[in-house]
Amino acid sequence: EDQVTQSPEALRLQEGESSSLNCSYTVSGLRGLFWYRQDPGKGPEFLFTLYSAGEEKEKERLKATLTKKESFLHITAPKPEDSATYLCAVPKPGGYQKVTFGTGTKLQVIP
Amino acid sequence: KAGVTQTPRYLIKTRGQQVTLSCSPISGHRSVSWYQQTPGQGLQFLFEYFSETQRNKGNFPGRFSGRQFSNSRSEMNVSTLELGDSALYLCASRAGGSSTYEQYFGPGTRLTVT
Repeated sequence: EDQVTQSPEALRLQEGESSSLNCSYTVSGLRGLFWYRQDPGKGPEFLFTLYSAGEEKEKERLKATLTKKESFLHITAPKPEDSATYLCAVPKPGGYQKVTFGTGTKLQVIP
Repeated sequence: KAGVTQTPRYLIKTRGQQVTLSCSPISGHRSVSWYQQTPGQGLQFLFEYFSETQRNKGNFPGRFSGRQFSNSRSEMNVSTLELGDSALYLCASRAGGSSTYEQYFGPGTRLTVT
C-alpha cells in the first residue's frame, strides 16, 4: 500500500534557526512529489513539485530536495510568518489528482 | 487571476440530511478535485472531474457524489449525513494539460454534522 510519512509531527524553532522536514514514501514508480503549506482554516498552498531523484527547488527560505525514497524541505533562517503545517503528497498511478497526502509537519517559529 | 472559490464557507447540518457544496475553479482550469480533511485522517482524495467526466475516485462510500458543469464549476453532494462526515472539504483546480500537475486549493467548506 502506498504510504507517505512525514516527520517530525511538530517542530518548534527559534527565529533564524534552520532545520529540515522529512517526507518518506513507499510508492512504486514515483511520478512526482508535491509540497504544500497550509495555514489554519485555509486550503493548502502549492509550493513545489519534484519529479526525479536529485532534483532541487527553492523559494525564498525554502528548498525542497528529492531522493529515491524521501524528500526534504529545508528551511533556512525561518521567520515567524513561516509558521504553518507543511504537507507533502505523492500521486498514485492512474491519475495525478489521486494523491496520497502525508499527515504534515506543524512548524512553529518563535520570534 | 481569481483563485479557487468555494461556497458556502461554513455549514451546519443534522444527521440524515444531505448537503451540496460548490467549487469554482481558476479561470481556464478544467480539472477539479475534491478532498476531505479531518484531524484524524488528514487529507483524503474524494474524486476528480475533468471536462464534466469523473476520472478518478477515492475510497469513499456512494453517499459522496459529485458533478462538473460545462463551465468547469463543480458540486459535491453528500447524502444521509453522518457525524463522521464533519470535516473541511477542499476543492482543488488544475489546468489539466499533461505538463501541468500543480493543483491549487480553495479555502474549503467547513461542514459540521450534529
